[in-house]
Amino acid sequence: ILNVEQSPQSLHVQEGDSTNFTCSFPSSNFYALHWYRWETAKSPEALFVMTLNGDEKKKGRISATLNTKEGYSYLYIKGSQPEDSATYLCASSVNAGKSTFGDGTTLTVKP
Amino acid sequence: DGGITQSPKYLFRKEGQNVTLSCEQNLNHDAMYWYRQDPGQGLRLIYYSQIVNDFQKGDIAEGYSVSREKKESFPLTVTSAQKNPTAFYLCASGLYRMEQFFGPGTRLTVL
Repeated sequence: ILNVEQSPQSLHVQEGDSTNFTCSFPSSNFYALHWYRWETAKSPEALFVMTLNGDEKKKGRISATLNTKEGYSYLYIKGSQPEDSATYLCASSVNAGKSTFGDGTTLTVKP
Repeated sequence: DGGITQSPKYLFRKEGQNVTLSCEQNLNHDAMYWYRQDPGQGLRLIYYSQIVNDFQKGDIAEGYSVSREKKESFPLTVTSAQKNPTAFYLCASGLYRMEQFFGPGTRLTVL
């Protein structure tokens, strides 16, 4: 079983703060790294899919980077807003096609 | 509208009973997945299917069974052999090794 780890487990920030989370994954047989946002009472939604070492993706105030050689990805949120409160999941896909998820980072943004 | 549906939303089972959770998608995705979530944990893969009439065990397949007779449908049966079935179950679909789209989930409780 691939071991995907996320840190921190939870995070509480004030509105306007910038924050970042880490996802670590085994680099062998790597194919893709996925980030999802999971809001309470909703289904997880895809944020980014990254496949190449050095990839950087951005969507509004949220961005992500990927380092496949050392096996980590960072998710950044600039100027956090209360609507960013959610659990952020990362998942690593290997050549066999299945994804392994981390336990997630739960972000709470206080107004 | 395109999407993934799961039914029922809530399901109660008596010990020793088999139950089947429904998952249907009209996104024309080849791949479908079943995950389980327990409190405080991430998503763990139960089974996945990359093509009709074919499926593979995930990390926690014991006590579960699936079928993939149609591209649109991927039902999950929780058998009496599953020792601790109370959990939240999510179905997803996607293009092979790309981002996944999730259904609303089924919460199963064993009485």
